Amino acid sequence: GQNIDQPTEMTATEGAIVQINCTYQTSGFNGLFWYQQHAGEAPTFLSYNVLDGLEEKGRFSSFLSRSKGYSYLLLKELQMKDSASYLCAVRDANNAGNMLTFGGGTRLMVKP
Amino acid sequence: EPEVTQTPSHQVTQMGQEVILRCVPISNHLYFYWYRQILGQKVEFLVSFYNNEISEKSEIFDDQFSVERPDGSNFTLKIRSTKLEDSAMYFCASSRTGGDSPLHFGNGTRLTVT
Repeated sequence: GQNIDQPTEMTATEGAIVQINCTYQTSGFNGLFWYQQHAGEAPTFLSYNVLDGLEEKGRFSSFLSRSKGYSYLLLKELQMKDSASYLCAVRDANNAGNMLTFGGGTRLMVKP
Repeated sequence: EPEVTQTPSHQVTQMGQEVILRCVPISNHLYFYWYRQILGQKVEFLVSFYNNEISEKSEIFDDQFSVERPDGSNFTLKIRSTKLEDSAMYFCASSRTGGDSPLHFGNGTRLTVT
């Protein structure tokens, strides 16, 4: 099975930078995904990492260290609309179904 | 941009009744999924479907649940005899392949069992 941990809540200030951490344990790692979920809405895809290192996409970046079972999502120049839950999810190669297993999510509150 | 569509957006049903939740995945996607999210909790995997059969299912997906692809576009989740604890948001998702292919989620069906 998989175990995915991320902080429950974080608070940051508009214009600042915030880093949301995720640690995971899985038997057959085959990629890590970050999703954003606004309250009452569907998760939307943000980023994907399968190799070690940093992937940058505009204001959002995601980092992966497979040896440490660790990822983070970095959000720069925070805006009020970034207030949402951020979900870390892992794909396990040992699962025939190609599904993602999600962590509990980190609720980010951006304050003026 | 193509999207996953789900109907209805809200469904209220009485305990013991059958419900069918409907989804139209993105047309060139090969993998289909159902997830649920109880209010305030994590997104939980129910079932994945590929090549017209279930490829993986979770412990939640017991005999009360079934999935079907009745035609070339729809993908349905049936709950035969709903329980109070089935109240949740049900998300359908699809992905083009496995590997680096992300899941694209529909807007969900909020199921309330009374």
